[in-house]
Amino acid sequence: RKEVEQDPGPFNVPEGATVAFNCTYSNSASQSFFWYRQDCRKEPKLLMSVYSSGNEDGRFTAQLNRASQYISLLIRDSKLSDSATYLCVVNGMNTGFQKLVFGTGTRLLVSP
Amino acid sequence: SAVISQKPSRDICQRGTSLTIQCQVDSQVTMMFWYRQQPGQSLTLIATANQGSEATYESGFVIDKFPISRPNLTFSTLTVSNMSPEDSSIYLCSVEVVRIGKSSYEQYFGPGTRLTVT
Repeated sequence: RKEVEQDPGPFNVPEGATVAFNCTYSNSASQSFFWYRQDCRKEPKLLMSVYSSGNEDGRFTAQLNRASQYISLLIRDSKLSDSATYLCVVNGMNTGFQKLVFGTGTRLLVSP
Repeated sequence: SAVISQKPSRDICQRGTSLTIQCQVDSQVTMMFWYRQQPGQSLTLIATANQGSEATYESGFVIDKFPISRPNLTFSTLTVSNMSPEDSSIYLCSVEVVRIGKSSYEQYFGPGTRLTVT
């Protein structure tokens, strides 16, 4: 079983749609969780850290379910510029340096 | 966050040669990391570079193949030695930044070095 699993997609949605991505992780000791966005031929960029209480940043909402070892990302009112690959990222250390484990990413295509 | 630059941005190299990739960050950071992203795949950690100590390599990566230097808190290099076509990949450095107020750590990435080995 992969440490971090994501549906590779692609998710094809029209502008204005709401889309949700899910991710599961296998290491129950993981303490920190992130969503990164990666555009084609670019480096990953941190989109959101995911906290136990869930968090929202504008159109983006992240949720964490530790019992099910499951993370989600919800994007509301999709824009064309949201088209990218979204990487679910998990670490197993609670302090000190983070050894991040990356999912293979979910590709999102937003069309006019 | 942090502003990170990498040199070169891309290179085409012959097999058997070596390439050194530089990573520069605009602020002092304790932890720097080197990753590889092969075509169509996600990122894999090569090693962690802590200033003043030997780099820590992940399973499947060895110092002879990927020597790393970390001479100060803003700079690191990764060398890809005795290259073969299988080393064709994007190599990215990242830095760890403490998120003040959240007691958490976040990693930010450089723009990457696209390496093609012929």
